[in-house]
Amino acid sequence: AQSVTQLGSHVSVSEGALVLLRCNYSSSVPPYLFWYVQYPNQGLQLLLKYTSAATLVKGINGFEAEFKKSETSFHLTKPSAHMSDAAEYFCAVRRNSGNTPLVFGKGTRLSVIA
Amino acid sequence: EPEVTQTPSHQVTQMGQEVILRCVPISNHLYFYWYRQILGQKVEFLVSFYNNEISEKSEIFDDQFSVERPDGSNFTLKIRSTKLEDSAMYFCASTGTDKNIQYFGAGTRLSVL
Repeated sequence: AQSVTQLGSHVSVSEGALVLLRCNYSSSVPPYLFWYVQYPNQGLQLLLKYTSAATLVKGINGFEAEFKKSETSFHLTKPSAHMSDAAEYFCAVRRNSGNTPLVFGKGTRLSVIA
Repeated sequence: EPEVTQTPSHQVTQMGQEVILRCVPISNHLYFYWYRQILGQKVEFLVSFYNNEISEKSEIFDDQFSVERPDGSNFTLKIRSTKLEDSAMYFCASTGTDKNIQYFGAGTRLSVL
């Protein structure tokens, strides 16, 4: 069975500050890991994905995440927050074979303060 | 950019009524999914669909639920007799040749009164 845990349901940062959203996973097989973002009244949009290639993954909008097997983590970071980054962020995992469904975390709401 | 379209954006229904949630996946995609998110909880997988049949379903997807691809474009989720606990945001998703990218619609908010 696979699962992800997102630490912190709400994170607030100042504009220009570092963004760090935490995600830990549990998987009995090598996982594929994803971060999705949801802006108000919109669908889930893929930010980045880890599929067993490079452990440091770069995504859209300046976000990146590092897969750390020893820590079972896949934290999302961005060096400098922008007001437009305010949204809900979801970490997800799936089995690395076939078209298998995503297993999501509960989400972290990011607020950016001017 | 192609996108997954879901209608309606908000559906209000009475308990016990049937509802059909509609999705138009991206046109050349072959794999389709329904997920739901009850307010304040995780996004949960319901069912996946490929080649006109269910490929995988979760425990949530009981006999009250059904999916169909009635024509070449629509993908529907039917709830036969809605319960209060079916109130949630329902998301449709599809994948194409890159199975690692699921494209999501904006969701349908279902309110069961």
